[in-house]
Amino acid sequence: QQQVKQSPQSLIVQKGGISIINCAYENTAFDYFPWYQQFPGKGPALLIAIRPDVSEKKEGRFTISFNKSAKQFSLHIMDSQPGDSATYFCAASIGTSGSRLTFGEGTQLTVNP
Amino acid sequence: GAGVSQSPSNKVTEKGKDVELRCDPISGHTALYWYRQSLGQGLEFLIYFQGNSAPDKSGLPSDRFSAERTGGSVSTLTIQRTQQEDSAVYLCASTLRGSKEAFFGQGTRLTVV
Repeated sequence: QQQVKQSPQSLIVQKGGISIINCAYENTAFDYFPWYQQFPGKGPALLIAIRPDVSEKKEGRFTISFNKSAKQFSLHIMDSQPGDSATYFCAASIGTSGSRLTFGEGTQLTVNP
Repeated sequence: GAGVSQSPSNKVTEKGKDVELRCDPISGHTALYWYRQSLGQGLEFLIYFQGNSAPDKSGLPSDRFSAERTGGSVSTLTIQRTQQEDSAVYLCASTLRGSKEAFFGQGTRLTVV
């Protein structure tokens, strides 16, 4: 059962544009929603995370928007750069620290110069 | 160590052979996870160790898969009688007690021929 659905599978944007990746979840018990960035041959690295008590979190060019009623959250990358080209995964987990992550299928982002 | 270390980086094995994959978590991290990433797919949870508690093995796909964690540190994932569908990147992650931020290793790419 896929509990976190991610779209699109792939995304191509021009340098300076806005990249938007969307995720939807089913389990209302999820209370932690991170985004991971993965470059080829590397493990995923935490980019930004949000909890359901806030609707938006911004760190530099990266923003998470969270809609609890719709059970959706999204990653916005402002002023996208070629160095942002990577695979992005949304994820969700429940409860106390250390609980396992349920991942979306991933979005391969390409930012053209 | 500075990060999560996994070995080997790549492993090619013949169908039916057993393999062992190693993970050395960040020093002091009490939780350790194994995930599997198949080509073009998201990360699939396999097993989770937290301190001295019994591991959460609910993600192991079959009884050919097992894992242990010795001394609360290094972990070994063992796959017996490997099958071609076991071909994937196996990722290990660890977290600090009280934190939900998972740090991933670079993974072991397993190819079963």
